[in-house]
Amino acid sequence: AQSVTQLGSHVSVSEGALVLLRCNYSSSVPPYLFWYVQYPNQGLQLLLKYTTGATLVKGINGFEAEFKKSETSFHLTKPSAHMSDAAEYFCAVSEGGYGGATNKLIFGTGTLLAVQP
Amino acid sequence: GAVVSQHPSWVICKSGTSVKIECRSLDFQATTMFWYRQFPKQSLMLMATSNEGSKATYEQGVEKDKFLINHASLTLSTLTVTSAHPEDSSFYICSAREAIAEAFFGQGTRLTVV
Repeated sequence: AQSVTQLGSHVSVSEGALVLLRCNYSSSVPPYLFWYVQYPNQGLQLLLKYTTGATLVKGINGFEAEFKKSETSFHLTKPSAHMSDAAEYFCAVSEGGYGGATNKLIFGTGTLLAVQP
Repeated sequence: GAVVSQHPSWVICKSGTSVKIECRSLDFQATTMFWYRQFPKQSLMLMATSNEGSKATYEQGVEKDKFLINHASLTLSTLTVTSAHPEDSSFYICSAREAIAEAFFGQGTRLTVV
């Protein structure tokens, strides 16, 4: 079974500081990994995803994440936080390949990012 | 990216009534749609997966008679919460994908049962 663990339900950074949101996964097959952002009372927006190939993936809004198989991690980073980055961030895993019966996404519990002025 | 629209964005209903939530793919054919439920300050929990023209597959612990899912066309899926009770109050989110492409999420529906 697949699972996702997000360390730290709340992270607070100062504007301009590095953002680091942690995600570890468990999967018995090559995983596809995702980071989503959710603003209050809204759906989820895809920030970035890892499928195959380059392990460092760049997403929207200056975010990037690195897939580290040896550490089973997919941490999300951004060099300089903006006030507009304040939101809830979810890491998710699915079984390798978008095909298959369900393409189910398993979500972590989320990390609420606060950005202080 | 592709657009998935949910309607309504929020709804308040009386206990014992039924509520229907629509999920539409606006610019692609959604062969598969997913329905999630999100409790306050918690993650998304998959409720069911539906493929166009076939019965939905429900996750363990989700009452299929309580949460009726219909995916009758390639652009529309509906979730009906039957005989709603206050404990059904939650944020419901759908996502849709075309074939083996990426899934896109709707903006969610806030259901409050009073």
